[in-house]
Formats: sequence, C-alpha cells, structure tokens
Amino acid sequence: AQKVTQAQTEISVVEKEDVTLDCVYETRDTTYYLFWYKQPPSGELVFLIRRNSFDEQNEISGRYSWNFQKSTSSFNFTITASQVVDSAVYFCALSEAPQGGSEKLVFGKGTKLTVNP
Amino acid sequence: DSGVTQTPKHLITATGQRVTLRCSPRSGDLSVYWYQQSLDQGLQFLIQYYNGEERAKGNILERFSAQQFPDLHSELNLSSLELGDSALYFCASSPIGVTPDTQYFGPGTRLTVL
Repeated sequence: AQKVTQAQTEISVVEKEDVTLDCVYETRDTTYYLFWYKQPPSGELVFLIRRNSFDEQNEISGRYSWNFQKSTSSFNFTITASQVVDSAVYFCALSEAPQGGSEKLVFGKGTKLTVNP
Repeated sequence: DSGVTQTPKHLITATGQRVTLRCSPRSGDLSVYWYQQSLDQGLQFLIQYYNGEERAKGNILERFSAQQFPDLHSELNLSSLELGDSALYFCASSPIGVTPDTQYFGPGTRLTVL
C-alpha cells in the first residue's frame, strides 16, 4: 500500500535560515511519481514539483531544491535563505503509475513551516 | 491561479441537509479528482472521473456522490450531512490520465455543517 510520512509536524525558523522538510514514502511499485504542494494561509494548494521514480537527479529552482533518494525512499525539500512568504503548510504526495487504476494522490500529513522575521 | 474553479467558496448548512459543490477543470483537462481536507484525516482522495466516467473511488461515504458532465465540469453531492462532514473540499484536474500528470487544484470549498 502507498504511504507518505512527513514526520515534522511543525517547524519554526528565523528569516534567512535554510530549512529542510522531510518526506519518506512507501510503495510496492517500481514506477511512481512524487510531488510537493504548498498550502499558504489563504488555503489553496499550489503545485511545486513532480518527479518520477526513474529520475534521481536533484532539482533546484531558485531558493528551492529537492533531494530524491530511492535507497532511503525519501524526497526531501530544502528552502534556502527562507523568507516570511515561505510560511505555509507543505505536503508531500505519491502517485503510482495507474495500469488501469487511478492516478490518485496519497498525501502526507503536511509540515507547517513558520518563518519569523 | 491554477485554472481550476470551484463554487461556492464557502457553504454553511445544517445537519441533515444536502449540498452540491461544483468544479470546472482547466481547459483541456479530462480527469477530475475530489479530495477532502479535514483536521483529523488530512487530505484524502474521494473520487476520480475521467472524460465523464468514474475511474476510481477512495474514502468516499455512501452519502456522497459525484458526476462529470459532457462539458467536463464535475459536481460533488453531499447528503444527510453530519457535523463531521465539515471540511475543505478540493477539486483537481489533470490532462489525460495515462500516467500521473500533475494535478492542479482549485481554491476549495469550505463546508461548515452546524
């Protein structure tokens, strides 16, 4: 069965600190997709990144970077030089290749990040 | 703006009532998904439609039903509402549904059952 664990419930940092959000997943499939979404205080879910199981290259987008390690079933998210606007709940999610099934997302419980000025 | 629209934004109703939540997917997207976000259960998949047909069911109660119309908009119907149905309901859409495309989420409908 699919499962996503975000062990950090809440993290509080001071502006300009780097912060890493952990995500550990479980799946029996060899082909799967991992996602990160951001939910700011306004409530909407904003897509950040999609990564498939065959692409273990780390990715950097501005101050955001993602570290995918199949050996440890982890897909961690790092924000460099955090800003107050980064304050949000961040969700990691997993989707297995459908093979006639559903591409539904299985979400972790989320990590609430607070960046203080 | 994801391009997915949901109405209404807020809904307040009483126990036992029935409500309908509406979702319009991004232009060209054939798959629509419904998710429920509550404090105790987190974000949970309810149901998926693909090009008008039901594709998968998740943790959806029998009191809940959904459909996707020929113009691809979708409605989620919640009946015999209970206090525990209070939650944020999200609709998401994705292009084709062959491989897990990125799902883009609407702004959500916040349902409060009193």
